[in-house]
Amino acid sequence: EVQLVESGGGLVQPGGSLRLSCVGSGFAFSSYWMNWVRQAPGKGLEWVANIRQDGREKNYVDSVKGRFTISRDNAKNSLYLQMNSLRDEDTAVYYCARGLDQWPGTDYWGQGALVTVSS
Amino acid sequence: DIQMTQSPSSLSASVGDRVTITCRASQSIRTYLNWYQQKPGKAPQLLIYGASSLQSGVPSRFSGSGSGTDFTLSISSLQPEDFATYFCQQGYSTPQTFGQGTKVEIK
Repeated sequence: EVQLVESGGGLVQPGGSLRLSCVGSGFAFSSYWMNWVRQAPGKGLEWVANIRQDGREKNYVDSVKGRFTISRDNAKNSLYLQMNSLRDEDTAVYYCARGLDQWPGTDYWGQGALVTVSS
Repeated sequence: DIQMTQSPSSLSASVGDRVTITCRASQSIRTYLNWYQQKPGKAPQLLIYGASSLQSGVPSRFSGSGSGTDFTLSISSLQPEDFATYFCQQGYSTPQTFGQGTKVEIK
């Protein structure tokens, strides 16, 4: 069974940093693109970033470029999102999501990690 | 960025009804269109990818169609477990933008 489990969410002050982690199991983690998608409270979905299987290609939405860094450790079946210079508008549930095989999109999602940016 | 616009934003329907949701892209995305269902407090689940391909395990009452800029998600006979919010997503270019969502409520 495919499982994705996020951790690392919490309350942080504006300008602060936080690192999210996601551990995958039940599939060959190193064979898939991986994504972060977020959802602000009561709002829609926003794709944040993704990373290629080997970690050498990374893409970001403009609003987080230069502040967030996606990375992975295939030996640990883990995906990360380092978030710096956090803003109020980064408050959201952050989902880790597996990329579809041979097609852009996502199939399996974690349960989400809540990040609250507030003073 | 490609803008995705869904309509309607919400709808009320009864069990057994046929429901159709529309998604329009701001430019051609060929068939790089996915549909997701999200229930309150839960992560989204993939229903349709490639505009019309049913994800494994998804009931056949769900179907998708379209190409270019106009797409539809149809539910042939609405079931109680289908009351949820539905999102379209384009995978044609980065960032992979989502529509704003369509909430399907019980009439």
